[in-house]
Amino acid sequence: DAGVTQSPTHLIKTRGQQVTLRCSPISGHKSVSWYQQVLGQGPQFIFQYYEKEERGRGNFPDRFSARQFPNYSSELNVNALLLGDSALYLCASSLWSGLSNYGYTFGSGTRLTVV
Amino acid sequence: QKEVEQNSGPLSVPEGAIASLNCTYSDRVSQSFFWYRQYSGKSPELIMSIYSNGDKEDGRFTAQLNKASQYVSLLIRDSQPSDSATYLCAVNDNNAGNMLTFGGGTRLMVKP
Repeated sequence: DAGVTQSPTHLIKTRGQQVTLRCSPISGHKSVSWYQQVLGQGPQFIFQYYEKEERGRGNFPDRFSARQFPNYSSELNVNALLLGDSALYLCASSLWSGLSNYGYTFGSGTRLTVV
Repeated sequence: QKEVEQNSGPLSVPEGAIASLNCTYSDRVSQSFFWYRQYSGKSPELIMSIYSNGDKEDGRFTAQLNKASQYVSLLIRDSQPSDSATYLCAVNDNNAGNMLTFGGGTRLMVKP
């Protein structure tokens, strides 16, 4: 079975541009969560979606938005990019909206560099 | 605001020694605790979870939880150079869906 897949793996954008990151969950998983990990820090929660509805939102500005599709894949959009948005963006999937006893598995991430 | 604190390290141990990684958390309602390992340039990989006070062992890894002291630790026995990585502690409040609050991570270096 494929794990959580994210695309693209690397991305370079200019300040002020917009970016869309994509995530496909593990087959059968209905919840997708997004995290931002700045170099040298732990991941920070951005969004959780379950059954196409937003179930949680972290302390991020409105420039960050996301959605989940009927096939449970998800997109994270960031508008008006700032240099500080440079980070590794991680996606994780789980069966339901809560955590299982096994936590959840991250995808390999998208490395976003804003110049 | 929930906080999870870890010593950033680096923690340096010789090969074959026990590595002890510590984590404290501020939110008393936290109920689930996780340790992730992250190699440089890679995504975090779940290695241990613990929910009850006491010890939980899995191979060379032992997670320890003390909810009264709001403290969770990870012991790695017979440390190997391949264990060199950053170890992230994460906590979850079961009322917060599957949102995890992560510490900043401890960098472990195992020297041959």
